[in-house]
Amino acid sequence: GDSVTQMEGPVTLSEEAFLTINCTYTATGYPSLFWYVQYPGEGLQLLLKATKADDKGSNKGFEATYRKETTSFHLEKGSVQVSDSAVYFCALTTTGNQFYFGTGTSLTVIP
Amino acid sequence: NAGVTQTPKFQVLKTGQSMTLQCAQDMNHNSMYWYRQDPGMGLRLIYYSASEGTTDKGEVPNGYNVSRLNKREFSLRLESAAPSQTSVYFCASSQPGRLNTEAFFGQGTRLTVV
Repeated sequence: GDSVTQMEGPVTLSEEAFLTINCTYTATGYPSLFWYVQYPGEGLQLLLKATKADDKGSNKGFEATYRKETTSFHLEKGSVQVSDSAVYFCALTTTGNQFYFGTGTSLTVIP
Repeated sequence: NAGVTQTPKFQVLKTGQSMTLQCAQDMNHNSMYWYRQDPGMGLRLIYYSASEGTTDKGEVPNGYNVSRLNKREFSLRLESAAPSQTSVYFCASSQPGRLNTEAFFGQGTRLTVV
């Protein structure tokens, strides 16, 4: 079945450091891929998405490229800020009726 | 735009009590979902509804019932709450299409069963 595996946390970085959170997936069809962010006490918000191979999603300085050959969708940011501290979830859907989420990676950015 | 609205935001129940979590969306989405979030386990699907009048079990349906009252509303009922149901519950909705759109989430209901 479809599934998502993402890097275990927690991750602690200093401000302005480079961020990578790994995400790999298994899917029977042609999935759309997503990164969601969850700030403390809030629901999940879409951060970025990609709907086909080689697409790059980007938002707020974050980027992720849909790599079909490696079944990956790694999240990157060149210079993190304290305000980026949150939990990040990788997710996929092939039907639009079922979404599969990774277990989440907690990021803490220290000044 | 309200998006997905959940009520209540917080709830404390005693073991054996019942309650209904309410969810409504104003985006005219066909699909709606209930997830629970527990530390270290990510999001687990409880039930989902692909359209008005239909519901299907997800990964962890035991102890829960759902009702898709109309296209806007999807409620989750705990008939006899247990401490294992202490969790954060999220409702979400989506509109499947050729380019599958994302799921939109509510703010969550934080439930404690004592």
